[in-house]
Amino acid sequence: QVQLRESGPGLVKPSQTLSLTCTVSGGSISSGGYYWTWIRQHPEKGLEWIGYIYYSGSTYYNPSLKSRVTISVDTSKSHFSLRLSSVTAADTAVYYCARSDSSAFDIWGQGTVVTVSS
Amino acid sequence: QSALTQEASVSGTVGQKVTLSCTGNSNNIGSYAVGWYQQISHGAPKTVMFGNSLPSGIPDRFSGSKSGTTASLIISGLQPEDEADYYCSTWDYSLSAVVFGGGTKLTVL
Repeated sequence: QVQLRESGPGLVKPSQTLSLTCTVSGGSISSGGYYWTWIRQHPEKGLEWIGYIYYSGSTYYNPSLKSRVTISVDTSKSHFSLRLSSVTAADTAVYYCARSDSSAFDIWGQGTVVTVSS
Repeated sequence: QSALTQEASVSGTVGQKVTLSCTGNSNNIGSYAVGWYQQISHGAPKTVMFGNSLPSGIPDRFSGSKSGTTASLIISGLQPEDEADYYCSTWDYSLSAVVFGGGTKLTVL
């Protein structure tokens, strides 16, 4: 059974770059047909799609975040990563990784809290 | 403002059938599969409908349907443990993005 687990710093300083990794276990990250996704949820708010990557490396980003986001995949390590640059307090959120078929998500990580503060 | 519109709150009694809706347009729900997610007490979301499929482990009292530009999540035989926030998602062709609904808070009376 495929499982996802996020990891990375829980505290990031303003203007710095947020970096998170999602490790995929119980299945192959190179499985065709799936997009490996980052989603976030601001405190007491709804879900926001950040972007996703196909195992081949093709990426799709939320237009509102596109200038600051990079998602990459390392199939040899079975993980994919998120980098969000020039962070502000508005980027404080719970960050989830998930598996997608391009429009819906079937498997989610447990989430990791990231706080942007000096 | 979310691209997909969901009721802010819905309530029902144990055993009742409830329907949650997710309304969009021809660029999103009208053209792509929809997912439904349950989030209990701000924990990680759990998928309760993935397109037309019921994920493994999800009770068969959950079902989904779509008519035109509106998708629905139906819970037949509401249980106390179904109390949660529910979100829908799909791809939006005009926005070139996955979009979510604003979420529905389901209360079991």
